[in-house]
Amino acid sequence: AQKVTQAQTEISVVEKEDVTLDCVYETRDTTYYLFWYKQPPSGELVFLIRRNSFDEQNEISGRYSWNFQKSTSSFNFTITASQVVDSAVYFCALSDRERNNAGNMLTFGGGTRLMVKP
Amino acid sequence: GAVVSQHPSRVICKSGTSVKIECRSLDFQATTMFWYRQFPKQSLMLMATSNEGSKATYEQGVEKDKFLINHASLTLSTLTVTSAHPEDSSFYICSALGLAPKRRGEQFFGPGTRLTVL
Repeated sequence: AQKVTQAQTEISVVEKEDVTLDCVYETRDTTYYLFWYKQPPSGELVFLIRRNSFDEQNEISGRYSWNFQKSTSSFNFTITASQVVDSAVYFCALSDRERNNAGNMLTFGGGTRLMVKP
Repeated sequence: GAVVSQHPSRVICKSGTSVKIECRSLDFQATTMFWYRQFPKQSLMLMATSNEGSKATYEQGVEKDKFLINHASLTLSTLTVTSAHPEDSSFYICSALGLAPKRRGEQFFGPGTRLTVL
């Protein structure tokens, strides 16, 4: 069963619009970690954020912000005032101990392709 | 820090030939490396976990005789696609864990290798 769901496969916005990418996850582990990665057309994954399950504080980094809600098992990502350079595929990922005891394996969501038009 | 390289970045080969892809951790030692495959417009799918000095662990559905993994040192893992066929054309990405990862679940990704089999 898919454990990380990114329901939006593609989103298209106009530059300067705000956009939120949704991520819903499923795990039975009490300690887990959530990640967001950006994959530009070059293909290389760019790490954006890591959040552990005990830290529900929202985080802001420049134009990026993340909303973690355990009650709804969601870890959504918002880009404020989007720019053309934000165009990429964004992946949400989960690491927990269901796959191995070390908890170091990542399960990726299907990805959301964001297109920011000028 | 935590740089992972892959070589080659792009390879085109004829059907039936074997292709070796290298994954190197440049500034840290990695006991564990992961190999992923990503088909166009799809997510990353874990193929195998490569452990230094021992046999790789393959995910269900991945043929170990076709995708040979060798992790002979703490800085190098290789993936050999044997007798490649057009359906093996894909983007192959490796990632590495540090010896004593400060942050559980954090993987450092290589830039990927695009394999095209004619």
